[in-house]
Amino acid sequence: QVQLQESGPRLVKPSQTLFLTCTVSGGSVNSGGHYWTWIRQFPGKGLEWIGYIYYSGSTFYNPSLKSRVTTSVDRSKNQFSLRLRSVTASDTAVYYCARGLIDSSGYYSVDYWGQGTLVTVSS
Amino acid sequence: QSVLTQPPSASGTPGQRVTISCSGSRSNIGSNYVYWYQHLPGTAPKLLMYKNNYRPSGVPDRFSGSKSGTSASLAISGLRSEDEADYYCAAWDDSLSGLYVFGTGTKVTVL
Repeated sequence: QVQLQESGPRLVKPSQTLFLTCTVSGGSVNSGGHYWTWIRQFPGKGLEWIGYIYYSGSTFYNPSLKSRVTTSVDRSKNQFSLRLRSVTASDTAVYYCARGLIDSSGYYSVDYWGQGTLVTVSS
Repeated sequence: QSVLTQPPSASGTPGQRVTISCSGSRSNIGSNYVYWYQHLPGTAPKLLMYKNNYRPSGVPDRFSGSKSGTSASLAISGLRSEDEADYYCAAWDDSLSGLYVFGTGTKVTVL
């Protein structure tokens, strides 16, 4: 059973960079076929897909966030990370890391999620 | 934010059947599979249904999914207290360069 756990600062100042790490257990970020994904949930409960990174380093991001997002994979630690630049109060959300997959027909979905971590953007 | 529309709440007594709708468009539900997630606050969301109507291992057959055109639905039959949770639909959206979109979420209450 794959498990994912988010970690990182819970409070970030406006205009700074949000940085989160996801530690994967019960699976490997090195394995092909899985797309290491970030999703966030706003205080009003709306969910927004941020994007994913493949073990090879290739990425795919939500067009609305693409200019501010960077993701990376650390194979030695079995982790992947999210950087979101120039944050504002509207970036306050619960951030989830998750495992995505693309099936043989090319359809993407998310199967396993972490518990999420609340990140507040405030001075 | 949320591109797919769900009713904010649904409820039923134990043993009843509850149905949750998910309305989208041609670029998402109309041309891609629908997935459903169950979320108990403070826990990791759980995949409940994939490719419209397939249940992952361990999901009771009380849960069923369907899709027609640009809408989908999740049905819970024989409602149980442990089914009280938030439910979200999701699908890939082919608009722009593509992205995974979610429903607005439905809170199911067991009366």
